[in-house]
Amino acid sequence: SQELEQSPQSLIVQEGKNLTINCTSSKTLYGLYWYKQKYGEGLIFLMMLQKGGEEKSHEKITAKLDEKKQQSSLHITASQPSHAGIYLCGAHNQAGTALIFGKGTTLSVSS
Amino acid sequence: EPEVTQTPSHQVTQMGQEVILRCVPISNHLYFYWYRQILGQKVEFLVSFYNNEISEKSEIFDDQFSVERPDGSNFTLKIRSTKLEDSAMYFCASTGPGQVASPLHFGNGTRLTVT
Repeated sequence: SQELEQSPQSLIVQEGKNLTINCTSSKTLYGLYWYKQKYGEGLIFLMMLQKGGEEKSHEKITAKLDEKKQQSSLHITASQPSHAGIYLCGAHNQAGTALIFGKGTTLSVSS
Repeated sequence: EPEVTQTPSHQVTQMGQEVILRCVPISNHLYFYWYRQILGQKVEFLVSFYNNEISEKSEIFDDQFSVERPDGSNFTLKIRSTKLEDSAMYFCASTGPGQVASPLHFGNGTRLTVT
């Protein structure tokens, strides 16, 4: 079955610093999704990537999917306290009938 | 913006009791899901539902679990006889009209505590 590994597991950055979170799959990704979760709340959709080499940006967050479609990165520029939370990558299972998630990366931003 | 709503936000129940968790998916969505997240652990897939039947279920979704879409708006998860290890946050999600290229929209979850 497909596994998604996220790194780092947790991250503390100073406000204003850039950071990168990685998501690696054991199999080719057919659709890679990034979500953000605040503690005790639901998952908020950030971005979806489908094609190898694809890159998308929204505000200060950029997500990329590598050419081989087995690794994705999420980059935050000039982090702010509002970026704090748990970032999860998700991907479709082989049948396309479910989304499976990595364990998440917990981001703390200190001011 | 339309959203997925879940009730109750918190449910406390005694071991062995039945619980029903309720969800109202986004109105034009056709695919529905339940996930759970045990405290401090990953979000785990339980079941997906389309066209009034289960399309996929995980190993976690055993005979104690069932799902239903009793009317045109609600989607429920029933746990027949709760165990302590069922304590978790349960999330409902929906997507559509296509499944593969559409992101899942999640509710805010129901925190189930089994005592």
